Amino acid sequence: EVQLVESGGGSVQPGGSLRLSCAASGFTFSNYEMNWVRQAPGKGLEWISYISSSGSSIYYADSVKGRFTISRDNAKDSLYLQMNSLRAEDAAVYYCARVEIVVVTAIRYDAFDLWGQGTMVTVS
Amino acid sequence: DIQMTQSPSSLSASVGDRVTITCRTSQRISTYLNWYQQKPGKAPKLLIYAASRLQSGVPSRFSGSGSGADFTLTISSLQPEDFAIYFCQQSYSTPTWTFGQGTKVEIK
Repeated sequence: EVQLVESGGGSVQPGGSLRLSCAASGFTFSNYEMNWVRQAPGKGLEWISYISSSGSSIYYADSVKGRFTISRDNAKDSLYLQMNSLRAEDAAVYYCARVEIVVVTAIRYDAFDLWGQGTMVTVS
Repeated sequence: DIQMTQSPSSLSASVGDRVTITCRTSQRISTYLNWYQQKPGKAPKLLIYAASRLQSGVPSRFSGSGSGADFTLTISSLQPEDFAIYFCQQSYSTPTWTFGQGTKVEIK
C-alpha cells in the first residue's frame, strides 16, 4: 500500500525540541520531493518545509526558519523534521506530504498528492 | 509572498445543490492552483491540480476553473460525502507554497 506514516509527536515545553519522522512505503521514496505541512487546531494549512528528492535543496517558511531542520534518509525511506526552540504557536498537527509533478505542454505543475495521517505536537 | 483569499469562509448547502468556492491570489499565477478537500480528523486530499485538472479517482462532479488571479472550485451536485473543508493552494512559487484559509461546506 502506498502510504506515509508520521510519528514522533507529543507534548513539549516551550523552548524544547522534538524530532518528527515520516515513513514511506509502497513507492520509490527517493524519486519524490517531500514537504512538511502543519495545521494548528481549528486553523488552516501552513506549508513549513520542502526537501528535494536527493536532499540537496531545502526551503523553509519564515515562521520556522532557523529553528526547524528538514532531512531525509532515502536508504530508510524516511523523512524527518527536527524542531528546536519550540513555541506555543508551533502547536499543530504536522503532516508529511509527497509532491506529484505533472508536465503539461512542457510546463511543470506540482501538487501534494499523498499525505500522512498527521502527528500532533503540543507546546505548553 | 503570494496571499490567498478564499470566499466564502463557510456556506450551507443541501444535497444536490451546485456549490461554488472562489480563491483569489494577490498576484497573477497563471494556472498554478490546486484544490484540496479535508474531512474532520483526516489529512487533506488532492482534488484538482493546475487549476482545472481532475486528480485521478476524484468524482467528475468536482471541477476547477480560472487563471491569473481568480479561480473557482465547483461541485455540480453536492453529495453527503462532500461536506468538508476545501483549501486552495498556489504552486507558482514552488518550492514554497501557500494555502487559502479554507471554506467549510456545511449541511443546510
